[in-house]
Amino acid sequence: DADVTQTPRNRITKTGKRIMLECSQTKGHDRMYWYRQDPGLGLRLIYYSFDVKDINKGEISDGYSVSRQAQAKFSLSLESAIPNQTALYFCATSDSLGVNGGYFGPGTRLTVL
Amino acid sequence: AQSVTQLGSHVSVSEGALVLLRCNYSSSVPPYLFWYVQYPNQGLQLLLKYTSAATLVKGINGFEAEFKKSETSFHLTKPSAHMSDAAEYFCAVSVPPGGDYKLSFGAGTTVTVRA
Repeated sequence: DADVTQTPRNRITKTGKRIMLECSQTKGHDRMYWYRQDPGLGLRLIYYSFDVKDINKGEISDGYSVSRQAQAKFSLSLESAIPNQTALYFCATSDSLGVNGGYFGPGTRLTVL
Repeated sequence: AQSVTQLGSHVSVSEGALVLLRCNYSSSVPPYLFWYVQYPNQGLQLLLKYTSAATLVKGINGFEAEFKKSETSFHLTKPSAHMSDAAEYFCAVSVPPGGDYKLSFGAGTTVTVRA
């Protein structure tokens, strides 16, 4: 089984809809991250969490919210989706030393019409 | 804050030729540096990392990179390209111990390998 899983893998939705992307990990890591990938921009950090009580905004948090339900689960929500949120979304985890960068999930491709 | 610049959004090489992908970083403290590869329709896979040990680091699939502090660079090389190396490559930097390990990525370089 994969260390970091994301559901759904693909989602098409309409403008104004609420969407939740879910991430689960079996690495036992405290640190979890949500990134967004856009062509020509690389990956940009949306939110990150060090534990269930510690949530931090990344560089592009506007229009997004997160929930850390447990050490192993970190969800990303789009309260009212808009077309420019169409992107590939990645969840990642990191150990406390950070020497291995991030362990990435397979990604969720979100299309907002 | 740290940042990464990858020079060249697309690189085309012949099979068997040298692959060279350029990465320059900025950081106020000695960073951790990473190269990731993304194959079509897949997630990111760690190729190699620099975490303040040896400046020449070897990774998977025959790739290596050299950390040059004076040039603030971490270029990725492979002596002989293979068709399977066609993918997108990302350089990333993070703040070392005491930081939050959030990764800052370059824009990516897409590698095409010609037969």
